[in-house]
Amino acid sequence: GIQVEQSPPDLILQEGANSTLRCNFSDSVNNLQWFHQNPWGQLINLFYIPSGTKQNGRLSATTVATERYSLLYISSSQTTDSGVYFCAVVYGNQGGKLIFGQGTELSVKP
Amino acid sequence: DTAVSQTPKYLVTQMGNDKSIKCEQNLGHDTMYWYKQDSKKFLKIMFSYNNKELIINETVPNRFSPKSPDKAHLNLHINSLELGDSAVYFCASSPDRGRPSGANVLTFGAGSRLTVL
Repeated sequence: GIQVEQSPPDLILQEGANSTLRCNFSDSVNNLQWFHQNPWGQLINLFYIPSGTKQNGRLSATTVATERYSLLYISSSQTTDSGVYFCAVVYGNQGGKLIFGQGTELSVKP
Repeated sequence: DTAVSQTPKYLVTQMGNDKSIKCEQNLGHDTMYWYKQDSKKFLKIMFSYNNKELIINETVPNRFSPKSPDKAHLNLHINSLELGDSAVYFCASSPDRGRPSGANVLTFGAGSRLTVL
C-alpha cells in the first residue's frame, strides 16, 4: 500500500514565525487533503489539493504530484494554529479511503 | 447548521459491555465513513457506506458492526468492548464514493472519545 510520511513530527514556533510542513507519498494520488486537528480534537479540512497551489488567508498549500509531495505553509503563525496537521491521500481505485500520515504536532508560543 | 454530528461525544464504559455511537450528516452526501484515532493520534479507516451499501470494510473485529438505515445516518455498534477499543472514533461524509477523477472532499464530525475500563 501507499506510504504517507510527514515532517517534521514536532514543531515549536514563536508567534509570528513562518513554517513549512511537508508530506511525501509513495504512489500517485487522486485526492490529497490537509487537516488541522485543534487542541479540542476536532478535524478541520484545510485544503483539497491533489495538485497545484491554493491559498486561504495565512495558509497556503502546494502539491507537486509528479514528485509526490505536498507542502503546507503557515505564515505569521498564531497561538490558535497550534494542534496537529495531517496530510491524507487517496490512491488508485480506493474510493474515499483516505490514508493519513502520522501528523506534525505544532505548538505556537506567545 | 450543515454538519456531520456524532453522539455521544464522550463514552466511558466497562469491559464486556455493548455500546453504540450515532452519526448523522445533513450535507446531502452519498458516502459516510468511520475512522479510528488511536492514542498516538494515528487515524485509520474502519468502514465506508455509499447510499446504505457497504463499500469499504477494513480488517476490523466482528465485534464492530456499522449500520446505515439511510444515507444520512451511519451508526457504529460495538459488542463485548475490550480495553484496546479505547480510542476516538470519527464519522465523516463525502459527496460520493470517490471516483478518481472527481473531487471527493471528506468532512469529519467532532469525534466520540470511547474509554473502556
